[in-house]
Amino acid sequence: EAGVTQFPSHSVIEKGQTVTLRCDPISGHDNLYWYRRVMGKEIKFLLHFVKESKQDESGMPNNRFLAERTGGTYSTLKVQPAELEDSGVYFCASSTGTGGDTDTQYFGPGTRLTVL
Amino acid sequence: AQSVTQLGSHVSVSEGALVLLRCNYSSSVPPYLFWYVQYPNQGLQLLLKYTSAATLVKGINGFEAEFKKSETSFHLTKPSAHMSDAAEYFCAVTWYSSASKIIFGSGTRLSIRP
Repeated sequence: EAGVTQFPSHSVIEKGQTVTLRCDPISGHDNLYWYRRVMGKEIKFLLHFVKESKQDESGMPNNRFLAERTGGTYSTLKVQPAELEDSGVYFCASSTGTGGDTDTQYFGPGTRLTVL
Repeated sequence: AQSVTQLGSHVSVSEGALVLLRCNYSSSVPPYLFWYVQYPNQGLQLLLKYTSAATLVKGINGFEAEFKKSETSFHLTKPSAHMSDAAEYFCAVTWYSSASKIIFGSGTRLSIRP
C-alpha cells in the first residue's frame, strides 16, 4: 500500500511568487492534515480536512494560505504571495478518521519550501 | 491547553549506550501520546503511541516509552544505541474524541558516537 506522497520535495521561489504544494493521502483515508515546521521550531498544525470539508483551520497563519481538497482525495496548499517567513518544511498526514486509539496519522516526506 | 516539552534539543550517546530522550506534557484531558522519528531525508515515522492501555509502550526498533501520570512524563528509551538510531525524535500529544490535530514538541536530535 502506498504511503502519503507529497510533491514537490523541494521548492525554491522568490518572495512575492506563488507556490502550490500537493499531498496525496493513503487511499481510503478521509482525514487529511497539513503541518509546517519553520527552521528551528516545532512542527505546527495548519489545518484538517474530513473528506472535502475543512474541519479545523485554526492553524492557518493568514489569508495568503489557501488549502483545498476537491473530491475528498488529494489536497493542495497554495501560498500567494509567498513571504520569507513562509520558508520551512510542509508535512501532510492522513488517517482513517475513525477516532479513538486506533486512529493514527501517517505522514508524508514533506515539501521543503525556500522563499528567497 | 495541551503542550509538549522536550528536554534537550541535541543528545549524543555512544554506540551501545542507553538512549534516554525526555518528554513532559501538559493536558487538561487524558492524553494520547506519541513518539515520531524523522531519519535524514525522510518523513515522520511513528515509533510508538500511548492510548490509555498499558503504561509501558513498546515500539519499533527496540524503543519503548513509559507513561507516568504523576510526573506528566513520557520519556523514550532504548537499552543499547545503534548507529542507525541517529535521527530527530519528536514527542507529541493529542486527544481523541474524534480524529484531531497533533501537538508536537520541538524535537531532539540524537547523535550516536562510534
